[in-house]
Amino acid sequence: NAGVTQTPKFRVLKTGQSMTLLCAQDMNHEYMYWYRQDPGMGLRLIHYSVGEGTTAKGEVPDGYNVSRLKKQNFLLGLESAAPSQTSVYFCASSSLAGSPEAFFGQGTRLTVV
Amino acid sequence: GESVGLHLPTLSVQEGDNSIINCAYSNSASDYFIWYKQESGKGPQFIIDIRSNMDKRQGQRVTVLLNKTVKHLSLQIAATQPGDSAVYFCAENIRGGKLIFGQGTELSVKP
Repeated sequence: NAGVTQTPKFRVLKTGQSMTLLCAQDMNHEYMYWYRQDPGMGLRLIHYSVGEGTTAKGEVPDGYNVSRLKKQNFLLGLESAAPSQTSVYFCASSSLAGSPEAFFGQGTRLTVV
Repeated sequence: GESVGLHLPTLSVQEGDNSIINCAYSNSASDYFIWYKQESGKGPQFIIDIRSNMDKRQGQRVTVLLNKTVKHLSLQIAATQPGDSAVYFCAENIRGGKLIFGQGTELSVKP
């Protein structure tokens, strides 16, 4: 059981480049989340989704876009990367029913130079 | 606004002692409050949750207390062990699916 898998694990981008981070979960979870974590700080919610075809803004959505075309996948896009987007990105998923436990991926370390 | 914050950024305890990690929250429209543990280089891991209509819940060596009057949440770890060293986050599961995290407290256990 893979749980939540993030691709890639590491990436270096030049300012202005674009990229997509992929999150895949095999637990049939309805909810999926994208967070960023900067040094000495907590996780800040970028965007989230409560089901296939739906997305919503979190605390820090500017500069990012997301899509949830399939229930198991949640994509995070950076259209024009900026150094301020250097961070560790975490994806998570949780079930609509029962425990609110969110399962996290291993993280993607992104550096924008 | 929606925010979940912690009182102390670092906490150092002696092995075998009990640890108490505190959290303040401001959003009242939540279904659950949750504690996560994050070890270095890893994603957060679920520890325990408490429904918003409860004031205490116990797990294995952990107890979570919720005081809705003062919007305060705490995590108590009994007989703290070196393996408990990590950053602990409180999080608020807001009605509608939003999951908001606090800043985190780094727990250091001295042998």
